Amino acid sequence: RKEVEQDPGPFNVPEGATVAFNCTYSNSASQSFFWYRQDCRKEPKLLMSVYSSGNEDGRFTAQLNRASQYISLLIRDSKLSDSATYLCVVNRMNNFNKFYFGSGTKLNVKP
Amino acid sequence: DGGITQSPKYLFRKEGQNVTLSCEQNLNHDAMYWYRQDPGQGLRLIYYSQIVNDFQKGDIAEGYSVSREKKESFPLTVTSAQKNPTAFYLCASSSSTGSYEQYFGPGTRLTVT
Repeated sequence: RKEVEQDPGPFNVPEGATVAFNCTYSNSASQSFFWYRQDCRKEPKLLMSVYSSGNEDGRFTAQLNRASQYISLLIRDSKLSDSATYLCVVNRMNNFNKFYFGSGTKLNVKP
Repeated sequence: DGGITQSPKYLFRKEGQNVTLSCEQNLNHDAMYWYRQDPGQGLRLIYYSQIVNDFQKGDIAEGYSVSREKKESFPLTVTSAQKNPTAFYLCASSSSTGSYEQYFGPGTRLTVT
């Protein structure tokens, strides 16, 4: 089983729509959680960290459910510029700060 | 401006040649990483380093080598032993304390023919 699993999509939504991505992780010892955004042929960029209490940054809301080992990202009022691949990432400190990446969910926002 | 730089952005080599990809960071991060990304795929860990003069193999280290002689620098050599070297190579770094967030360089796109 993969460490981090995401629906690959693509999610095709109109501008202004609300879209939600989900991600599950397999190891309950995972400690930190993140969403990254990756544009085509570019490096991943940190979108937001995900905290146990949930957190919001403008149109973006992230939630963590440790009991179900599940992370979500909600995007409200989608913009054309939100079109990208969204990567779910978990971190586990064993003897090293190691990161585990999902394969990404592709979002296409259409006019 | 703090960040991670990788050079070159595009690199073309003939099969059988070794090639070294540069990665430099001025974020004062202890940990550095090399990933490989193939079209439509996720990131796969090649090598990582927690401190200077120490590094560990990741999931796909065969055909690659690294060094960590300075905190700021973590070059990756793609050797002729790597069977499918054409890929997008990403260098990253993270702090060992605090938020543990990982930051990426702009990547090097290597094509071997």
